[in-house]
Amino acid sequence: GDSVTQMEGPVTLSEEAFLTINCTYTATGYPSLFWYVQYPGEGLQLLLKATKADDKGSNKGFEATYRKETTSFHLEKGSVQVSDSAVYFCALKVGGAGGTSYGKLTFGQGTILTVHP
Amino acid sequence: ETGVTQTPRHLVMGMTNKKSLKCEQHLGHNAMYWYKQSAKKPLELMFVYSLEERVENNSVPSRFSPECPNSSHLFLHLHTLQPEDSALYLCASRLATGRNTEAFFGQGTRLTVV
Repeated sequence: GDSVTQMEGPVTLSEEAFLTINCTYTATGYPSLFWYVQYPGEGLQLLLKATKADDKGSNKGFEATYRKETTSFHLEKGSVQVSDSAVYFCALKVGGAGGTSYGKLTFGQGTILTVHP
Repeated sequence: ETGVTQTPRHLVMGMTNKKSLKCEQHLGHNAMYWYKQSAKKPLELMFVYSLEERVENNSVPSRFSPECPNSSHLFLHLHTLQPEDSALYLCASRLATGRNTEAFFGQGTRLTVV
């Protein structure tokens, strides 16, 4: 079956530090890959996505590149801010409206990021 | 604000109670999902509705009963829950006609079973 593995947290950084959160996956088909962010007390928000190999998703200074050869989609940011403190989820989706997957997302366990001033 | 609204935001219920969670979206989406988020575990997909028809039920106990009366509303009816059912329940919706359309999540209902 499909699965996503994220680096275990929590991750604690100082402001302006470099961030990497590792994510690897296994999938039965050709997945789309996503990073979602969950701020305290909120639901999940899409941070970025990539739909095919070598695509780079980016948003709010975060980047992730779809690496098919290593089945990875690591999240990076060059300089984190206190406001980036949240839980980050890597996810994959195989298929769309039809077939047997109905566009469902398979999530990793989440990585808690805390950024100190 | 993602356009997906869940109510209530917090719910405390006893094991013999019956309650319902509500999810509403007016984004024109036609697929809706219930996920369960427990501490230190990946989000678990519970149910999928596509075009108001339940298309997936991931071995969820019968004490959870979903209902999708129309494409804008999704309910999760709860009865005789167990303490281990305490979790954040998230609703999501998307337009299921495209492979790469984004799923939008509500803020969740924090459920505590006592």
